[in-house]
Amino acid sequence: QVQLVQSGAEMKKPGASEKVSCKASGFTFIDYYLHWVRQAPGQGLEWMGWINPNSGGTNYAQKFQGRVTMTRDTSISTAYMELRRLRSDDTAVYYCARGRYTSSPFKVWGQGTMITVSS
Amino acid sequence: QSALTQPASVSGSPGQSITISCTGTSSDVSFYNYVSWYQQHPGRAPKLIISEVSNRPSGVSNRFSGSKSGDTASLTISGLQAEDEADYYCSSFTSSTSWVFGGGTRVTVL
Repeated sequence: QVQLVQSGAEMKKPGASEKVSCKASGFTFIDYYLHWVRQAPGQGLEWMGWINPNSGGTNYAQKFQGRVTMTRDTSISTAYMELRRLRSDDTAVYYCARGRYTSSPFKVWGQGTMITVSS
Repeated sequence: QSALTQPASVSGSPGQSITISCTGTSSDVSFYNYVSWYQQHPGRAPKLIISEVSNRPSGVSNRFSGSKSGDTASLTISGLQAEDEADYYCSSFTSSTSWVFGGGTRVTVL
């Protein structure tokens, strides 16, 4: 069935980097945009950006520009989101989600990856 | 891009109808008809319940309906049920081909 399976929870020190993976199955990976959305504990959803797995093109939310990189490996149908210079307020659940086009809603979501940033 | 504005909480009794508003700007909600609504239960990933302002994906109850007027979109839940108690988020595609979410609304069934 159609699913997105994300990597497991991580604990990081401030200043470190974290790379979260999102493996797609049940559909043609390059046919759908992949978005990254995060949710801090007790807070709302925050869109981080998207990647076009076909071209590798990206669009990042202004807040994360310079600190985030989204990539993909089409050979294993996996997308990645790397966030650098982690701070305590980056502690959140990070989700990947699928949309057919840039303007399409997110019908399929990964299970989420908890990243905890603490000294 | 600033977050869309939603009320922090809305409550209603079983069987009643409630409406959640979502206010944006000329660069997002009023610019496109690409407003979506998501339902999120604690500890779970969000679930799409409304797309393109008023379209219900297959399998979503017809008690959920969406609309839009100008820069404000709305989600109505009719015949409120205990299982509807959750957080609800609106989101909109923007003129910079990005997305923006609302702050979320906690729905409580009294």
